[in-house]
Amino acid sequence: ILNVEQSPQSLHVQEGDSTNFTCSFPSSNFYALHWYRWETAKSPEALFVMTLNGDEKKKGRISATLNTKEGYSYLYIKGSQPEDSATYLCAFITGTASKLTFGTGTRLQVTL
Amino acid sequence: DVKVTQSSRYLVKRTGEKVFLECVQDMDHENMFWYRQDPGLGLRLIYFSYDVKMKEKGDIPEGYSVSREKKERFSLILESASTNQTSMYLCASSLVQSNQPQHFGDGTRLSIL
Repeated sequence: ILNVEQSPQSLHVQEGDSTNFTCSFPSSNFYALHWYRWETAKSPEALFVMTLNGDEKKKGRISATLNTKEGYSYLYIKGSQPEDSATYLCAFITGTASKLTFGTGTRLQVTL
Repeated sequence: DVKVTQSSRYLVKRTGEKVFLECVQDMDHENMFWYRQDPGLGLRLIYFSYDVKMKEKGDIPEGYSVSREKKERFSLILESASTNQTSMYLCASSLVQSNQPQHFGDGTRLSIL
């Protein structure tokens, strides 16, 4: 089983703080890297799918970068809000029919 | 919007029972997946299917089987439920290309007593 590592495991920030998380994955045989947000009592929701080295994606205050050669991706949240509180999951595809391998997630809590 | 519907949010069954978890998607997706979520372990793939009647084992298929008789429906079967199968089960679907996101259901929290 391929290993996808996410850090930190959990994070507690104040409203307005900017924050970032890391996802590390095997750099060989890379196909795609996915980011999902999973709020309590809801289903995981796709944020980004990244396929090219150097890719940068942005959605509102959230952005992500990808380095496939060294095997990492960063997720950034600018000006965190309480509604950003969730677990952020990254997942890696090796190319076998869209089969994702997930990390254990970074749990973010944003307080007022 | 894609809708992935799982038949139950909460389910309680007894050891040894045969358990069926149903999942339906409404967007004509080729791929469907079953995961389980356990604390500290992340989402782990049990089985997936890339077409009707086609299936592939994921990382933890032991004790489970699946059925995909129609494109929109993917069933997970616990042949003889055991307490270590108490978990949150999530179904997902996607288009076939690896650059397409997966769309998840709300999950079924299954307890085996």
